[in-house]
Amino acid sequence: QQQVKQSPQSLIVQKGGISIINCAYENTAFDYFPWYQQFPGKGPALLIAIRPDVSEKKEGRFTISFNKSAKQFSLHIMDSQPGDSATYFCASTNAGKSTFGDGTTLTVKP
Amino acid sequence: IAGITQAPTSQILAAGRRMTLRCTQDMRHNAMYWYRQDLGLGLRLIHYSNTAGTTGKGEVPDGYSVSRANTDDFPLTLASAVPSQTSVYFCASRGPGANVLTFGAGSRLTVL
Repeated sequence: QQQVKQSPQSLIVQKGGISIINCAYENTAFDYFPWYQQFPGKGPALLIAIRPDVSEKKEGRFTISFNKSAKQFSLHIMDSQPGDSATYFCASTNAGKSTFGDGTTLTVKP
Repeated sequence: IAGITQAPTSQILAAGRRMTLRCTQDMRHNAMYWYRQDLGLGLRLIHYSNTAGTTGKGEVPDGYSVSRANTDDFPLTLASAVPSQTSVYFCASRGPGANVLTFGAGSRLTVL
């Protein structure tokens, strides 16, 4: 049973465009929702995170939108840049245990 | 620089051989984790440790073992490697009260 479903698997966006990655979770006990960014040859690193009591969190060009009733959350990257090309993982956390989505490979074309 | 150190960075291993992947952190985090990353399958939890002296099984523990003799070290052992264990392995840790993980740079293992 996959508890966190992430889509799309891959995404190609032109420079300056908006990148959108979606995740859906099943377990209502999850209480923290981070996004991780991973560059080739590196480990994942925290990008931005949200708690379920807020509907949106913005940090620079990165925004998480959270819909508790639908059990969905998404990452929006505004004004996407070639340097944003990476793999993005959503995660859902409860009691310190993280369940990850399968990842989205983002390519931003110059 | 505080963080997680994994070794080796990359290794090619014959099937049937024993292999230990090393993980050391200097952040004094209590919780540590081992994940494997395979294309299209994301990050899957192998084993975890909430504190020194304790370990637990994750989603895909078969064929792997761990130990946690102290806070800083959390080695992952493959007793008899098989080709399906070809993967990139990430060690991670979590500080007290934190909900996010700090990852190492990974160990790429190829079992032939």
